[in-house]
Formats: sequence, C-alpha cells, structure tokens
Amino acid sequence: IVMTQSPATLSVSPGERATLSCRASQSVRSNLAWYQQKPGQAPRLLIYGASARATGIPARFSGSGSGTEFTLTISSLQSEDFAVYHCQQYNNWPRTFGQGTKVEIK
Amino acid sequence: QLQLQESGPGLVKPSETLSLSCNVSGGSISTNGYYWGWIRQPPGKRLDWIGSIHYSGSTYYSPSLKSRVTISVDTSKNHFSLKLKSLTAADTAVYYCARLFGADYADFMGQGTLVTVSS
Repeated sequence: IVMTQSPATLSVSPGERATLSCRASQSVRSNLAWYQQKPGQAPRLLIYGASARATGIPARFSGSGSGTEFTLTISSLQSEDFAVYHCQQYNNWPRTFGQGTKVEIK
Repeated sequence: QLQLQESGPGLVKPSETLSLSCNVSGGSISTNGYYWGWIRQPPGKRLDWIGSIHYSGSTYYSPSLKSRVTISVDTSKNHFSLKLKSLTAADTAVYYCARLFGADYADFMGQGTLVTVSS
C-alpha cells in the first residue's frame, strides 16, 4: 500500500492551526498511525487507530479519517511542534510509511 | 521507563553483512502483546519497515528484503538482533530498533544508528 502525504512542506505561524493529510492507495480502515520526528531524533508515536492519542501526547494533536483519507490536526502550533510528521498504515503487510510532511515556522 | 539502544558498526563494505543489536532495558522483551522490530530511514527518503519478531521467535520480513534479512531474539539477554547480507549503497540508512504494539506500529524506538555502506 502506497501512502502519500500532502503537502510536502507546511509553513505555519506559532499559535495557528496546522492540517496535514495522508492518503492510502487502498483502504486501510482505521489502521493508521502518525509520528513526529525532530532533527537527529527517532520518530515518536503521536496517534494510532487513526484518532487515538498515544500516552503523553497533548490534546492539541488530533487525528481523523478512515479508509483512504486521513488528517492530522495540530490546533495551535507550539514552538516544539515544528518537525516532520509521518503517517504509517498497519492494515496490510508490509507496513508502509508516507514520505513525510515538514511543518516549518512561517 | 523503557529504553532501546542500537549497537553495531557505522561503516560496512559492499557485499558484506551488517549485524546490529538492540538492547532493551526498563522492560522485558518477553512481554505479551508486543513484537520487536527494525525500521530504517535512508537519507532523504521515507521510513522503511524491515521486519519484526515476537519473543516466541515468530518473524515477519518485508518482501523486498526477505532474501537478505534475519532477525533473532535472545530473551535471556533481553535483546534482539538484525542481520542484513549482501549490502549495497542503497542500504545506507539510519537503522532504528523499535517496540511494536501487536507488530502494528512503533510505540517506542531507539535513537537510531547510521550505517554507511561504502568501500
């Protein structure tokens, strides 16, 4: 399954809302995860099951969607949220990732 | 707090075999419900799922790497390992070890280790 994220880069001002998209080439039901990755660090799990926040993840992060279209929303961007975000499907083998969306400071 | 730490060579020659180990601390590798796996990230490219193993020894390998990869687990040492043979420059990447919830997604990952394949 090919995962496609858009946009490649999103320029947002602190305090603004960011909306990231992830599309699957075929249905993955709700078997989708989102990760955040900062430079030089490992990816960190944010969301699983398309909408469930992982332990310790702030409420400003929310996920939605099912089937082939998914969205990650960051309601009010904080300085620590500028990073690359990856989606990953786990409905089929092999597990596959999107190419990432970089959220940068506008 | 669970911690995973990769170890292994940073530079490997083409055609050789890469051996990486992942030491798990702060938790047992024999915990039910979890698999343990390897994910890599070539420079400037998307994350790539290599494979996974359960403490019982059950494995899954990505079809694109299946002929070259072996993942093993040592429950007595609380660690698991990756072997990738017949390396080429395309295998240059940061390699992450990870705890996988139900072999589905990574809820903990190591810091990663850069492996460069070059003569």
